[in-house]
Amino acid sequence: ETGVTQTPRHLVMGMTNKKSLKCEQHLGHNAMYWYKQSAKKPLELMFVYNFKEQTENNSVPSRFSPECPNSSHLFLHLHTLQPEDSALYLCASSQEWAGLGEKLFFGSGTQLSVL
Amino acid sequence: QQQVKQSPQSLIVQKGGISIINCAYENTAFDYFPWYQQFPGKGPALLIAIRPDVSEKKEGRFTISFNKSAKQFSLHIMDSQPGDSATYFCAASRGQGTYKYIFGTGTRLKVLA
Repeated sequence: ETGVTQTPRHLVMGMTNKKSLKCEQHLGHNAMYWYKQSAKKPLELMFVYNFKEQTENNSVPSRFSPECPNSSHLFLHLHTLQPEDSALYLCASSQEWAGLGEKLFFGSGTQLSVL
Repeated sequence: QQQVKQSPQSLIVQKGGISIINCAYENTAFDYFPWYQQFPGKGPALLIAIRPDVSEKKEGRFTISFNKSAKQFSLHIMDSQPGDSATYFCAASRGQGTYKYIFGTGTRLKVLA
């Protein structure tokens, strides 16, 4: 079993729906991330949490709302999304002070389709 | 200046051949350069990484070549195998405690049997 688990694997939602993505890491890491992966584009960092505190919000629209109740769990709440938000959403974790270059451990992602 | 430019977008190699993927960066403050490998339906996984104090790092069939003056680094896959077929992302980050990795756009590698 992977150290980072994401659910659901696939999600189809209408533009007026509200849904949530869930991520859980079993690695004892202190930092958790949401990335957006779209075809032919670089992985796009959305949010970073370190010790449950948000340390990065990469100018993400407010229709994406993250929540980190503890160091092991991360949520991404979605509401009134647009079709261009369709993408693979990846959760990752890292040990904060792993020296120069924190290794990112990714989950398998949630493939989101907005109709 | 924050971009990492990756090429080619896709690559087809015969089994046993050498696969080469190139990346270039602008920001000289970057000091850690990892390569991530992603199989379909999976998240990316760290494959190999290098720091700018060395010009080459080898792990098995995978080698990173680093040219600091040219601000370029590349991944070489020797004796490429069909199991290496995946998407490869280069990335760059800056400094301890930073959370930002700047990723390239990815290279889809297909190794023909």
